[in-house]
Amino acid sequence: GENVEQHPSTLSVQEGDSAVIKCTYSDSASNYFPWYKQELGKRPQLIIDIRSNVGEKKDQRIAVTLNKTAKHFSLHITETQPEDSAVYFCAASTARGTASKLTFGTGTRLQVTL
Amino acid sequence: DSGVTQTPKHLITATGQRVTLRCSPRSGDLSVYWYQQSLDQGLQFLIQYYNGEERAKGNILERFSAQQFPDLHSELNLSSLELGDSALYFCASSPDGTQYNEQFFGPGTRLTVL
Repeated sequence: GENVEQHPSTLSVQEGDSAVIKCTYSDSASNYFPWYKQELGKRPQLIIDIRSNVGEKKDQRIAVTLNKTAKHFSLHITETQPEDSAVYFCAASTARGTASKLTFGTGTRLQVTL
Repeated sequence: DSGVTQTPKHLITATGQRVTLRCSPRSGDLSVYWYQQSLDQGLQFLIQYYNGEERAKGNILERFSAQQFPDLHSELNLSSLELGDSALYFCASSPDGTQYNEQFFGPGTRLTVL
């Protein structure tokens, strides 16, 4: 089955700096890669996603890049703010019709310090 | 608020017991997913239902079972509980279960097995 590895497990940056989280996946059939943010004690929420036919996607301060050949994808957060502090999960999806399965990475705890 | 509801919020029980977790998807969503989140294993996909039928299965233990009812709510049954089953259990829903649909997570049920 699919295996997703995520690095680093913790990341501390100063406010205003950039943060980068990297993930690799194993199943070449995976073709959808969402990123979820989970604040302390709360539910995971989708922040950005990318399909396999796209190399890069940007939404304001966050961007995701995908390298299908190398089977890795990354989340980039620019101009970090204290409210960006949370755990971020990457995921890879395999699907067939109405059957879909998300395999998550182990998470990156991002701390933005003042 | 994602529109996905889960009950109960907290559950404390003893080893060997059986519990039922309940999930109501967002209005109009046909697909329900169950995840287990523990400290050492991150978010693990358990099972997906679409319009009452099982669609995809992850690493769900044989002691665990689930179903989706005609009104689309879902229940996850955990039996012969072990200490290691202590975790946060999330339900998520999506409109039609296909790959590119965002999954909306509920607030979770925290299960503690003593």
